[in-house]
Amino acid sequence: AQSVTQPDIHITVSEGASLELRCNYSYGATPYLFWYVQSPGQGLQLLLKYFSGDTLVQGIKGFEAEFKRSQSSFNLRKPSVHWSDAAEYFCAVGPDMEYGNKLVFGAGTILRVKS
Amino acid sequence: KAGVTQTPRYLIKTRGQQVTLSCSPISGHRSVSWYQQTPGQGLQFLFEYFSETQRNKGNFPGRFSGRQFSNSRSEMNVSTLELGDSALYLCASSLLRGSGELFFGEGSRLTVL
Repeated sequence: AQSVTQPDIHITVSEGASLELRCNYSYGATPYLFWYVQSPGQGLQLLLKYFSGDTLVQGIKGFEAEFKRSQSSFNLRKPSVHWSDAAEYFCAVGPDMEYGNKLVFGAGTILRVKS
Repeated sequence: KAGVTQTPRYLIKTRGQQVTLSCSPISGHRSVSWYQQTPGQGLQFLFEYFSETQRNKGNFPGRFSGRQFSNSRSEMNVSTLELGDSALYLCASSLLRGSGELFFGEGSRLTVL
C-alpha cells in the first residue's frame, strides 16, 4: 500500500534562510509525487509534481523538489524563505491510474517563519 | 476563471442528524474528489466522481455517500452523524482522471455536537 511519511511536524526558519522539508514514500512502482501547501483557513494548492524525467522539479513560488529513488524521498526546498511561506505543507503520492485522482497524503509539516 | 466553490463553509449539527455538502468544480473539470481532514487522521480520501459515476471510494462507512450531477457539480452526504465526523471536508476538481493535479476548494467545516 502507498504511504507517505513527513518526519517533521513543525519547522521554524528565519526569514531569508533556506528551507528543506522532508518526505519519504512507500510505493511499489514509480510514483507520482506531489507537494501541496495549505494556508490557514484555506484549501490546498499544488506547488509542484513529479511524474517522470528530470528528478529536480521546479514549482510555483520559488519551490523545487528532488526525487531520489534510492532514498524513496521527495524533499521540498526553497533557497530563501519569505514570511508569506508560513503554512502547512503536504507531500502526497499517487495516483495509480486504476484509482484515478486518489492521493495519499502525509501528515503535513507546519512551517513557521520568524523575522 | 472561478475556483472550486464549496457550500456551506461552516455548519453545526447534532449527533444523529444528516448533512449535505455541495461542491461546484472549476468549469470544464469533470473529476471531483472529496477528502476529509482532521487533526488526528490528516487528509483522507473519501471518494471520486467522474462523469456522474463514483470511480473510487475510500475506507469510510456507508453513512458517507455522494453523487455528481450532469454539470459536474457534486454533493456528499453524511447520515447519522457521529462526533468523530467533525472535520474539514475538502472538495477538489481536476481536468483529468489520474493526473493528481487537484484544485481544492476552501472546504466545509462541520462540527458535530
